[in-house]
Amino acid sequence: DIQMTQSPSTLSASVGDRVTITCRASQSISYWLAWYQQKPGKAPNLLIYDVSNLETGVPSRFSGSGSETEFTLSISSLQPDDFATYYCLQYKQSPRTFGPGTKVEIK
Amino acid sequence: EVQLVESGGGLVQPGRSLRLSCAASGFTFDDYAMHWVRQVPGKGLEWVSGISWNSDNKGYADSVKGRFSISRDNAKNSLYLQMNSLRPEDTALYYCAKDRVGGTYYHMDVWGKGTTVTVSS
Repeated sequence: DIQMTQSPSTLSASVGDRVTITCRASQSISYWLAWYQQKPGKAPNLLIYDVSNLETGVPSRFSGSGSETEFTLSISSLQPDDFATYYCLQYKQSPRTFGPGTKVEIK
Repeated sequence: EVQLVESGGGLVQPGRSLRLSCAASGFTFDDYAMHWVRQVPGKGLEWVSGISWNSDNKGYADSVKGRFSISRDNAKNSLYLQMNSLRPEDTALYYCAKDRVGGTYYHMDVWGKGTTVTVSS
């Protein structure tokens, strides 16, 4: 199975900051990677798929990049609505696997 | 509007069975693959199972392989998860999720609100 790791596990930031979250795969997953945002008590929300494609309706301050085994999710200017937990997901192989999550907290 | 409504969760003893259902509306159900994903409260997401649009292709997490079975009824716009030999570690909120693309299962774009499964004696 493909193992996914994320760093950091927790990130403290202020409104307006640029934030970057890293996701690493235990083997190459090419471009088969998505990012999700989850707020407490809510279902996850798809932000980005195929590494860098923004889902419809997602603000352009979110962006994704990377390839093979290392990927990043960036938020160009953190907004109050962005404080949440972020997960990456690989869908190169079954079983699909999520990263452990990165919690973005208010500094 | 795309809607996914899970049902069938509850309290069950270890070793027993439970069947989860997911009623889909607002999209052409048989065009899309579907998934089950679970989450222990306060913990991360775990993909449980996926099924292609025509049920030809199914996949399972190692933790549930041989115990859980995914199925769908396209005539009823419904997805199911049959859970057998339940263990305390299966306790979680179970989400039904629609795949973003057609064909086989890739990644999820729309999620239900989830149904809670508690396995305890």
